[in-house]
Amino acid sequence: GAGVSQTPSNKVTEKGKYVELRCDPISGHTALYWYRQSLGQGPEFLIYFQGTGAADDSGLPNDRFFAVRPEGSVSTLKIQRTERGDSAVYLCASSLMGTRLETQYFGPGTRLLVL
Amino acid sequence: AQTVTQSQPEMSVQEAETVTLSCTYDTSESDYYLFWYKQPPSRQMILVIRQEAYKQQNATENRFSVNFQKAAKSFSLKISDSQLGDAAMYFCAYRQSGGATNKLIFGTGTLLAVQP
Repeated sequence: GAGVSQTPSNKVTEKGKYVELRCDPISGHTALYWYRQSLGQGPEFLIYFQGTGAADDSGLPNDRFFAVRPEGSVSTLKIQRTERGDSAVYLCASSLMGTRLETQYFGPGTRLLVL
Repeated sequence: AQTVTQSQPEMSVQEAETVTLSCTYDTSESDYYLFWYKQPPSRQMILVIRQEAYKQQNATENRFSVNFQKAAKSFSLKISDSQLGDAAMYFCAYRQSGGATNKLIFGTGTLLAVQP
């Protein structure tokens, strides 16, 4: 079946602008994660959804970052007043909760460049 | 807080040879999971192998195997018969068992080059 998809693949924006990044998880996966990967680093956790609700948003760096998952499937990560330091690859992952060997499957990411 | 350390920023191996990538982690938990992910230039993270901490037997997946040393908090990845397609960034990751979140904690990665 189809894997996790993310759009756009690349996004260039100007400092101060608003951006939205979309994630389509694997069909039937109840859990959805967002990670941010800066150049030369490993991914860092941002937020986790179980169904429609954000079960853990402890990784969001500040209140300019917000994510939603209104119907428990597609999720959107929203960044307000973008800053150059927000430039990174934003990765989304989904998983089927309820299994001990829960495995997160990743999308190809969105590369965000803030000029 | 849990941390994952990969002390080898880059490694190189000849095709058909064996290479071992190192990973150490720090946790006070007794039940957790460890993973190795591969990230090629396409950016997509691909699960290579996983290990449950309560299992003493080392996990294997075809040419990939791990050396899990729980007491030493070490989790190295061995790639046998290296192939050109193995060239990628490799990340070690930790996940706590139970709790409110199943977030992964990643190391900084090891870039593996495979020489023909």
